[in-house]
Amino acid sequence: DQQVKQNSPSLSVQEGRISILNCDYTNSMFDYFLWYKKYPAEGPTFLISISSIKDKNEDGRFTVFLNKSAKHLSLHIVPSQPGDSAVYFCAASAQGGSEKLVFGKGTKLTVNP
Amino acid sequence: DADVTQTPRNRITKTGKRIMLECSQTKGHDRMYWYRQDPGLGLQLIYYSFDVKDINKGEISDGYSVSRQAQAKFSLSLESAIPNQTALYFCATSDPRGEQYFGPGTRLTVT
Repeated sequence: DQQVKQNSPSLSVQEGRISILNCDYTNSMFDYFLWYKKYPAEGPTFLISISSIKDKNEDGRFTVFLNKSAKHLSLHIVPSQPGDSAVYFCAASAQGGSEKLVFGKGTKLTVNP
Repeated sequence: DADVTQTPRNRITKTGKRIMLECSQTKGHDRMYWYRQDPGLGLQLIYYSFDVKDINKGEISDGYSVSRQAQAKFSLSLESAIPNQTALYFCATSDPRGEQYFGPGTRLTVT
């Protein structure tokens, strides 16, 4: 049973436009959420996180939104750049992040010049 | 220098062979993890350790074993490799807040 779902395996956007990556979760105990970015032949790298006490967290071009009632989070990248082309994983954890992470299957983002 | 290193980076082995993948970290974290990535399946947790004396099974531990030799070292063994264990393997470490730092991965092929 998948607790963290990324229903779009891939997404393609034009350079300069907004990229929106979505993630849904089923476990109501999750209270800490993270996004990771992965380039080919490299390990995933941490991008941005959000605690369930917030509904938005920004870091430069990256913003994560959390809708607890819908059990949904999204990552917005504005403006998108070709270097953002990668696989993005959503992850969730309980107890403020002290429990192990549960990952989604990833969304491959392609930003076209 | 990388915070999390994995050796080997690539390995081809035959069915039935025993193989060990090694991981070292310089972050000073107590927590370490082994994941497997298959195309379209994301990251699946194999084993994790919250300190040197703690070992826990993840989602897909069958056919694997681990050893936590020290705070900085966590190795993954395949006792008798089989072709469906062909995958990318990642080691990670984290602090109690949960943010994980990943190694560069080991590409394992079992023929």
